[in-house]
Amino acid sequence: QKEVEQDPGPLSVPEGAIVSLNCTYSNSAFQYFMWYRQYSRKGPELLMYTYSSGNKEDGRFTAQVDKSSKYISLFIRDSQPSDSATYLCAMSAGYGGATNKLIFGTGTLLAVQP
Amino acid sequence: NAGVTQTPKFQVLKTGQSMTLQCAQDMNHEYMSWYRQDPGMGLRLIHYSVGAGITDQGEVPNGYNVSRSTTEDFPLRLLSAAPSQTSVYFCASSPEGGGYGYTFGSGTRLTVV
Repeated sequence: QKEVEQDPGPLSVPEGAIVSLNCTYSNSAFQYFMWYRQYSRKGPELLMYTYSSGNKEDGRFTAQVDKSSKYISLFIRDSQPSDSATYLCAMSAGYGGATNKLIFGTGTLLAVQP
Repeated sequence: NAGVTQTPKFQVLKTGQSMTLQCAQDMNHEYMSWYRQDPGMGLRLIHYSVGAGITDQGEVPNGYNVSRSTTEDFPLRLLSAAPSQTSVYFCASSPEGGGYGYTFGSGTRLTVV
């Protein structure tokens, strides 16, 4: 079993829809949670960063962490065609040091149709 | 401020050839790492470094070597290329480690024939 599981999609939605992207994980030591966005043929870029449980909002994006269920989500409101990309979740048990590697999900491909 | 710079962007190798993928960062980050990205496999860690002179293996190190002589540079060497090494390679850096989040380069698309 992978430490981090993510539905690969693809997920296709109409412009303006609310998008929900999710990851589950098995390692209860994870406490730093991130979402990366990766456009086609580009490197991943950090989109959202959350420490421990709770919600974080940044414009149209909301990240949620439920540590009791080992489940994280990314919501995109009023989705735009420019949001079409692969979204990768990532998590780490610690802030720094050699043992605190960042573990990635496989990514969900999102297509927002105009 | 260039961030993380990877060269080359594209490369085709013949089986058995060797080459070095270059990675440089100008953010004075201590932590650097190499990932490969394959369809359905996500990002897999090849090697990482927590500072100049210190490197260690990640999840898929076989067939790859690294060294870290300066804070800025972290080259990845393929000793004898194999078709299984056809992939997209990303270099990433961080101020200290996983919990900080990484800055990624734009990738090197490698094909081994």
